[in-house]
Amino acid sequence: QVQLVQSGAEVKKPGSSVKVSCKASGGTFSSYTISWVRQAPGQGLEWMGRIIPILGIANYAQKFQGRVTITADKSTSTAYMELSSLRSEDTAVYYCARVAVAAGWFDPWGQGTLVTVSS
Amino acid sequence: QPVLTQPPSSSASPGESARLTCTLPSDINVGSYNIYWYQQKPGSPPRYLLYYYSDSDKGQGSGVPSRFSGSKDASANTGILLISGLQSEDEADYYCMIWPSNASGVFGGGTKLTVL
Repeated sequence: QVQLVQSGAEVKKPGSSVKVSCKASGGTFSSYTISWVRQAPGQGLEWMGRIIPILGIANYAQKFQGRVTITADKSTSTAYMELSSLRSEDTAVYYCARVAVAAGWFDPWGQGTLVTVSS
Repeated sequence: QPVLTQPPSSSASPGESARLTCTLPSDINVGSYNIYWYQQKPGSPPRYLLYYYSDSDKGQGSGVPSRFSGSKDASANTGILLISGLQSEDEADYYCMIWPSNASGVFGGGTKLTVL
């Protein structure tokens, strides 16, 4: 059973960047895409973007265009999400989630990574 | 990005049914999309429940009880999650989601379901 294991919590200063990792254990990225979804405290889910690891192609939500970069390392079955120019509103739990090709649902999800942006 | 509208809260008693809605904007036809539903409990990542396109094209998440089901109301341009035989453990936040394009996803704002 594939599990997605994310990196640990981060505290960042406004204006800096954060890079969160998501490693697939017990499986690979073959035939899957990896999306990143964030959830601000007490708020709903927000899709940020996704990557097709075998192709290295990433797509981003319009809101995050220019500020987010999603990459993947096929050799280690690890995806990364880097968010730059951080502001306090970026404080959130960031999740990675897998979508099978020809399917559209997120399953499984990573455990989440809390990113706190504070001066 | 389109906005999927979910009522912020809903409540029902144990054993009753809960009908949670997800309304698409008028320029997006609910009949053209798979509607995905997720359940989230405090402190946990979301859990995939099911998707619904039509009665002949739908799917249940692994281990998700059959009392969770999906449907659509085309006249209201709305996706529906029906939870029958409510149990206390069903108290959670529920999110709908669609892929309005092949490369872009969007979630509804979520509904907090309280089991009275």
